[in-house]
Amino acid sequence: DSGVTQTPKHLITATGQRVTLRCSPRSGDLSVYWYQQSLDQGLQFLIQYYNGEERAKGNILERFSAQQFPDLHSELNLSSLELGDSALYFCASSVWTHPYGYTFGSGTRLTVV
Amino acid sequence: KNEVEQSPQNLTAQEGEFITINCSYSVGISALHWLQQHPGGGIVSLFMLSSGKKKHGRLIATINIQEKHSSLHITASHPRDSAVYICAVIKGYGGSQGNLIFGKGTKLSVKP
Repeated sequence: DSGVTQTPKHLITATGQRVTLRCSPRSGDLSVYWYQQSLDQGLQFLIQYYNGEERAKGNILERFSAQQFPDLHSELNLSSLELGDSALYFCASSVWTHPYGYTFGSGTRLTVV
Repeated sequence: KNEVEQSPQNLTAQEGEFITINCSYSVGISALHWLQQHPGGGIVSLFMLSSGKKKHGRLIATINIQEKHSSLHITASHPRDSAVYICAVIKGYGGSQGNLIFGKGTKLSVKP
């Protein structure tokens, strides 16, 4: 167990739907990062939160949004889902704003049908 | 052209062989990670390097900042080393940008 908890592990949903992925960071970590891993694109950075504030944005679609709550857990919301959104979504956490001492969660596998 | 390039893309080895995976990058970085992803999908951080060399068990990682190149070596490879190995760089210096840019990974298969 890495200490970073992601739920659910698997999610199957239909096109056009909305889903929420959840991430609880390792105890003491203030930064949460979200990544998408698809077969054709590999791993891509989506967004980072640090202590509740958005810190950096990567290749995140407008249909996607995220937030970090006061207890430091984070949620990634994906809406108007398309087949191409099927991917593994990873969350990682670190103590500081930069990903030193980096720990990944086990990922959420999203399948859009 | 990708900012982080790995070679080879695929690698098959016999148990016991010495393995090298290479990573080249074209941007300024503050550090480089080597990650391991097993078939089940989970990702583990193996090393973070900003200079020199690190060793953990049978794994050795080196980085040459001037040449913008890093290598991951596995000595006495074992079938349980079979995984995808991913190089990722922290782009920028100091406080500029702290998120990872990933290579496409090297899929290693070690045969018994």
